[in-house]
Amino acid sequence: GAGVSQTPSNKVTEKGKYVELRCDPISGHTALYWYRQSLGQGPEFLIYFQGTGAADDSGLPNDRFFAVRPEGSVSTLKIQRTERGDSAVYLCASSSLGGETQYFGPGTRLLVL
Amino acid sequence: AQTVTQSQPEMSVQEAETVTLSCTYDTSESDYYLFWYKQPPSRQMILVIRQEAYKQQNATENRFSVNFQKAAKSFSLKISDSQLGDAAMYFCAYRSFLLIQGAQKLVFGQGTRLTINP
Repeated sequence: GAGVSQTPSNKVTEKGKYVELRCDPISGHTALYWYRQSLGQGPEFLIYFQGTGAADDSGLPNDRFFAVRPEGSVSTLKIQRTERGDSAVYLCASSSLGGETQYFGPGTRLLVL
Repeated sequence: AQTVTQSQPEMSVQEAETVTLSCTYDTSESDYYLFWYKQPPSRQMILVIRQEAYKQQNATENRFSVNFQKAAKSFSLKISDSQLGDAAMYFCAYRSFLLIQGAQKLVFGQGTRLTINP
C-alpha cells in the first residue's frame, strides 16, 4: 500500500508569514508523529497523536507551533509568525496501534527568508 | 532523558568491503527498542534494522547486522558487501518500551554520512 505522504515537498515563505504542512499517514495507522530536522542534525520530536488527540506535545518549541488531526488520519502542522530559525525539514511518521516501528514520509523542506 | 550518540560524522568504504557504524546510548530503562535508519538525499528515512533490547540475539537483515552490547549500551551497524546504493546518512535511534506519555517518540543520534567509493 501507499506510504506516508507529505505536502508540499518544499515551501519558501517570508519571515512573519503563516504556513501549513500536511501529512497523510499509512492507511490504518492510528499513531502519527511530527519531527523537525535541522541541517546536519538528527530529527527531533515535536508532537505525537494517537487517534485525533495529541498524546504528547512536549517537543513543540513554542506557542507558534500547533498541530491538528481532526479525523484521526491526515494531520496538519501549523506555524504562525514564522522565523528564520524555523527553517528545517519537517518529517512525519506513522505507526500502527502499539507498533514500535515508525514509517516516515519524505518530509517538507521549509525555508523562511 | 535518553540520549543517543554517533561519534563518527563521516565514514567511507570501498565498494564490496565491510564497514561498521558506531552508536552508543544512555538510558536507565531495561526494555527498549533500537533502530538504524538510512536517509538518502531524497530525505526519506528508511528503516534498516530493528533490535529489541530483551533479545540477546543480534538482529540481521541480509547484508546488515548489528552488534548489540546491552551492558555497554552500544549498538553498532555492520554493512557487508557495501554497494553504491548504501551511500546515505545513517541514524541510530532509541525508543522506550513503555506505553506512557513521552515514551513513544524516537530519540535520534546526530547521524553518520556514509560514502561508498567505487
